[in-house]
Amino acid sequence: DTAVSQTPKYLVTQMGNDKSIKCEQNLGHDTMYWYKQDSKKFLKIMFSYNNKELIINETVPNRFSPKSPDKAHLNLHINSLELGDSAVYFCASSQDELGGETQYFGPGTRLLVL
Amino acid sequence: GEDVEQSLFLSVREGDSSVINCTYTDSSSTYLYWYKQEPGAGLQLLTYIFSNMDMKQDQRLTVLLNKKDKHLSLRIADTQTGDSAIYFCAERFDNTDKLIFGTGTRLQVFP
Repeated sequence: DTAVSQTPKYLVTQMGNDKSIKCEQNLGHDTMYWYKQDSKKFLKIMFSYNNKELIINETVPNRFSPKSPDKAHLNLHINSLELGDSAVYFCASSQDELGGETQYFGPGTRLLVL
Repeated sequence: GEDVEQSLFLSVREGDSSVINCTYTDSSSTYLYWYKQEPGAGLQLLTYIFSNMDMKQDQRLTVLLNKKDKHLSLRIADTQTGDSAIYFCAERFDNTDKLIFGTGTRLQVFP
């Protein structure tokens, strides 16, 4: 009963390729996010969607395009992969509530660009 | 600025208390969080504190918040080897959905 799931768990690909990472949450949350964690473990938000609408879009190259087909899914498509895209990508979700809008994270997708 | 600072490493003996410190920047942050990341795993929410609180206790975890100094700490009592992980503090930035994470503190517990 994984609350926030991501596929694939590992992704190894060559420079220049296009790849997608999928995220699904079964918590009924309204908001979903993508974070990037680099090799030094720094975590930084990339995007957030609320009810399929883009809310936060940090300064991320436009090679990265999030797509939300419905409230429970937020996929991340990356065009023309570069070496610097190698990182762990985490999906998260939260519900608008008075209790802190706690974000729950997926297990991460480890992307390695060769 | 959006820098959230933590010390990078902490090493403690099993059974001792661990205190992980965090300094944040946004004085209007309403919620502050502590997450735990075990090797090769995702982030697990440990606890959070609302900004109008000074302290929150949850079993072995105690969170202290000093709003004046923008300082947050996490105390783990009776630290166990299973507590070895990276601990991230995070603040909700400017009352948005955006979480700003600290640099992470790697806690190592030795027997």
